[in-house]
Formats: sequence, C-alpha cells, structure tokens
Amino acid sequence: GAGVSQSPSNKVTEKGKDVELRCDPISGHTALYWYRQSLGQGLEFLIYFQGNSAPDKSGLPSDRFSAERTGGSVSTLTIQRTQQEDSAVYLCASSLAGTRLGETQYFGPGTRLLVL
Amino acid sequence: AQKITQTQPGMFVQEKEAVTLDCTYDTSDPSYGLFWYKQPSSGEMIFLIYQGSYDQQNATEGRYSLNFQKARKSANLVISASQLGDSAMYFCAMREGAKSNYQLIWGAGTKLIIKP
Repeated sequence: GAGVSQSPSNKVTEKGKDVELRCDPISGHTALYWYRQSLGQGLEFLIYFQGNSAPDKSGLPSDRFSAERTGGSVSTLTIQRTQQEDSAVYLCASSLAGTRLGETQYFGPGTRLLVL
Repeated sequence: AQKITQTQPGMFVQEKEAVTLDCTYDTSDPSYGLFWYKQPSSGEMIFLIYQGSYDQQNATEGRYSLNFQKARKSANLVISASQLGDSAMYFCAMREGAKSNYQLIWGAGTKLIIKP
C-alpha cells in the first residue's frame, strides 16, 4: 500500500512569507507526528495528533507554527512569517494508533524548506 | 541533558565487515522503547529495529541486532556483513512510556560509509 506522502518535496520562500506543508498519512493510521530536522541534527518533535483528541502542540517552537488535521487524515503544517532559522527538513510520520510503546512510526520523504 | 547520545559522528567500515553503532540513553522511566532508523541520502527515515525495556532478549532483524545493556543504558546497533547499500545516517531514538504523546526523542546520528 501507499506510504506516507508529503508535499511539496522542496520549498524556497522569502523571509516573512507564510508556507504550508502537507502530509498524507498511511490509510487507517490514527496517529500523526510532525518533526523538524535541521542540517546534521536529529529530529525535533513538533506536534502530535491522535484520532479526534486535541493535538499535543508542546514541541512547536513559536506561535508562528500551527498545524491542523482534517477528517483524521491529511495534515497541514503552517509556518507564518517565516524566518531563516526555519530552514530545515520537515518530516511527517504516522502510526497505527499512537498508544503502544513499541509502535513503529512510518515516515514520509520530508519537505525541504529554505527561507532566503 | 542529552537523552540520547550517539558518540560517533562518522564511521568508515570495509564492506562485509560487521559494524557497531553506539547509542546511550538517559531516562528515569522504567518503561521505554528504543528504536533505530536508517536515513539514506534520499532523506526518508527507515525503521530498522526495536527493543523494549522489558524485553528479555536482544532484538534481531535479519542482519541487524541490538546489543541492549540495560544497566549501562546502552543500545548499540550491530550490522553484520555490511553492504555498500548500508551507507547512510543511522539514528537511535527513544520513546518513554510516561509520555502520553509517545514522541520519539532522537540522537544526533552517525554517518556510516561502507568502503568497497
């Protein structure tokens, strides 16, 4: 079956502009995560959606970042008034239920964001 | 304090040799899980292997095995008979049971290069 997909694969924007990044999880997966990976670094947790529960936004670095998940499926991460330090790869992952310790997260190919 | 430490920024290994990638972790949660992911140059995160804190035996998946030493808080990945296609970034990650969002906490990664 299809894996996690993300679009666009690359995005170049000017400082101060807003950007939207899209994630389409694996069908049937109720848990969805957004992570950010800066150059040469590990991943940094941003936000977590589980079913119809309120999202866990504890990892969002500032109020310029927001995310929504419509109909329990597709998610959009929005960065307003982008800054150069927002340049990174944004990775989306999904898992079946998000409630088991050993549950594997499956990742999309990421969106490479460059803010000029 | 770093929760996941990968002390080897880069490694060169001869093809067909075994390789050990180090990972130490820090948690006070008695229930946790440890994951290893591979990230080729294409950027996608590929799940390799999982070890739960209560698992009695070391995890194995094909050529991958996890040398889990709970008292030392280490979870080293062993790749037997390395292949050129094993060249990639390798990340160790941890999930703590007390965290309701089950986010993964990531190390900085090790870049593995297999020499022919």
